[in-house]
Amino acid sequence: AQTVTQSQPEMSVQEAETVTLSCTYDTSESDYYLFWYKQPPSRQMILVIRQEAYKQQNATENRFSVNFQKAAKSFSLKISDSQLGDAAMYFCAYRSATTGGGADGLTFGKGTHLIIQP
Amino acid sequence: DTEVTQTPKHLVMGMTNKKSLKCEQHMGHRAMYWYKQKAKKPPELMFVYSYEKLSINESVPSRFSPECPNSSLLNLHLHALQPEDSALYLCASSEGQNGVQFFGPGTRLTVL
Repeated sequence: AQTVTQSQPEMSVQEAETVTLSCTYDTSESDYYLFWYKQPPSRQMILVIRQEAYKQQNATENRFSVNFQKAAKSFSLKISDSQLGDAAMYFCAYRSATTGGGADGLTFGKGTHLIIQP
Repeated sequence: DTEVTQTPKHLVMGMTNKKSLKCEQHMGHRAMYWYKQKAKKPPELMFVYSYEKLSINESVPSRFSPECPNSSLLNLHLHALQPEDSALYLCASSEGQNGVQFFGPGTRLTVL
């Protein structure tokens, strides 16, 4: 079974600064997807960024980027120019790519609560 | 339309009640999911439907009964629940090939 570990229960950053959230995972599979989801207090789970394991290039979405180290099984999220709206619970998630039809659930880490200080 | 909708937003029920949660998507996704999320915890997978067939049941008690009447709709029938079943129930859908799951806003369930 796959496991996802987020070792930082809470992080705090000043507005406009950069913060990095850590995630490690354990799997015996070679093909999989990794995600960062954001869940604000309003509770809707929103996709932040996605990485395919077979791609060496790190994914980037505007102010959000990842550092994907496949050999180390590490998948950290960097948020640049932090904004008040970035405050939320951030979940790292794993999904196998080996099941046909995409019908595999996500395995989540425990989450990191990100606080943005004005 | 990139939205997953869930009704109701909130539900309070007694342990002897029967109720249903509803989830709908019109993105043409062929995989749909139910997750349970307790306060300050990550979501936990309950069920997966792929092409309207149940493909994964994560050992969920039989008091939870999923149903997929068509490719756009997913229900979760609830019967004889326990207070510990109180949680946020999240529905998600996925196109499948690219791995991304889109989540609905959830139903906050309270069992008295």
